[in-house]
Amino acid sequence: QQQVKQSPQSLIVQKGGIPIINCAYENTAFDYFPWYQQFPGKGPALLIAIRPDVSEKKEGRFTISFNKSAKQFSLHIMDSQPGDSATYFCAATRYQTAGSYQLTFGKGTKLSVIP
Amino acid sequence: NAGVTQTPKFRILKIGQSMTLQCTQDMNHNYMYWYRQDPGMGLKLIYYSVGAGITDKGEVPNGYNVSRSTTEDFPLRLELAAPSQTSVYFCASDTDRSSYNSPLHFGNGTRLTVT
Repeated sequence: QQQVKQSPQSLIVQKGGIPIINCAYENTAFDYFPWYQQFPGKGPALLIAIRPDVSEKKEGRFTISFNKSAKQFSLHIMDSQPGDSATYFCAATRYQTAGSYQLTFGKGTKLSVIP
Repeated sequence: NAGVTQTPKFRILKIGQSMTLQCTQDMNHNYMYWYRQDPGMGLKLIYYSVGAGITDKGEVPNGYNVSRSTTEDFPLRLELAAPSQTSVYFCASDTDRSSYNSPLHFGNGTRLTVT
């Protein structure tokens, strides 16, 4: 059972465009939604994250929009650059007491920004 | 700090062979994880550990074993390699599952091919 659905699988945009990656979750117990960025040959790295008590979070050119009632969240990249070309993973997690763990990743979106 | 270090970077195994993927972290993190990444499938959790001497199964544990004798090291063992275990394996760590500001730190992966 896939608890976090991510789309699209791949995305090609022109430099300066605004790619949007969407994710939907099922488990209403999730309370933290991070995005990870992965360059070829490297491990994923945390890009930006949001908690469900806010509807939007911006860090530089990256923005997360969160819709709690629809159980959806999305990543927007403003003024995209070729250096943003990477695979992006959304994730959802539920923080619990020590010893408990739950983190679920989407399947990833491969973004290509062409000059 | 080196962060999370994985060895080897690449390995080719024959069916039925065994091997150990090494993972060490120098951040004094209590929590460590093993993921596998297959094309278009995202990251799947194999095993995780919340501290030395404590391990637990993730989503896809079959065919793998782990141990955690020290805080720094979390090796992943494949006993009888099968073609289905061809994948890229990532080790990760973080400090505390109860903190919203505790991102996963990933290594750069081990690419394993079983033929």
